[in-house]
Amino acid sequence: AQSVTQLDSHVSVSEGTPVLLRCNYSSSYSPSLFWYVQHPNKGLQLLLKYTSAATLVKGINGFEAEFKKSETSFHLTKPSAHMSDAAEYFCVVSESVYSGGGADGLTFGKGTHLIIQP
Amino acid sequence: EAQVTQNPRYLITVTGKKLTVTCSQNMNHEYMSWYRQDPGLGLRQIYYSMNVEVTDKGDVPEGYKVSRKEKRNFPLILESPSPNQTSLYFCASSLGLAPPFDEQFFGPGTRLTVL
Repeated sequence: AQSVTQLDSHVSVSEGTPVLLRCNYSSSYSPSLFWYVQHPNKGLQLLLKYTSAATLVKGINGFEAEFKKSETSFHLTKPSAHMSDAAEYFCVVSESVYSGGGADGLTFGKGTHLIIQP
Repeated sequence: EAQVTQNPRYLITVTGKKLTVTCSQNMNHEYMSWYRQDPGLGLRQIYYSMNVEVTDKGDVPEGYKVSRKEKRNFPLILESPSPNQTSLYFCASSLGLAPPFDEQFFGPGTRLTVL
């Protein structure tokens, strides 16, 4: 069975300061991990994904995440926050049905609301 | 433009009145899925489909039906809606779920209110 925990429901940072959104996961198999962003009144958009290649993954809009198997973490970071980064962020873990992950192998975290202070 | 479309975007209805939310994708994706999003609960999967005529239950299927008669369409049917189905619904599609695990493309969402 798999699960994902986003450790903060809300994160508030000042514009121009670093962003850290934390995600821990558990998985019985070698998972893939994703971060999605949801801007107000919009659908979800993929920021980045990890699929067992490089452990440091770069995404769109200056975001990156590092897969740390020993810590079962996949935290999302950005060096300098911009007002346009204000949104809801979702960490997603995926185990393929073909590896016995069950259901369709996708589990979403409950989301982290990122607030950018001017 | 590659996209997932949903209709309607907003719907207010009454308890017990059957409704259908349509979902269509133009990317020839095999995999399609429906989610509901509720405050503090994130996204929860309702149903998914691995291909035409192949559907399966997700985490919260009670009160919903789906069909996949064509590859591009995956409608969500509420036979007898109830107030606890008031939610924001998203349809998503991806090329497949085999490794490397594919990005899901999401529709814009349907906000449903059941009175």
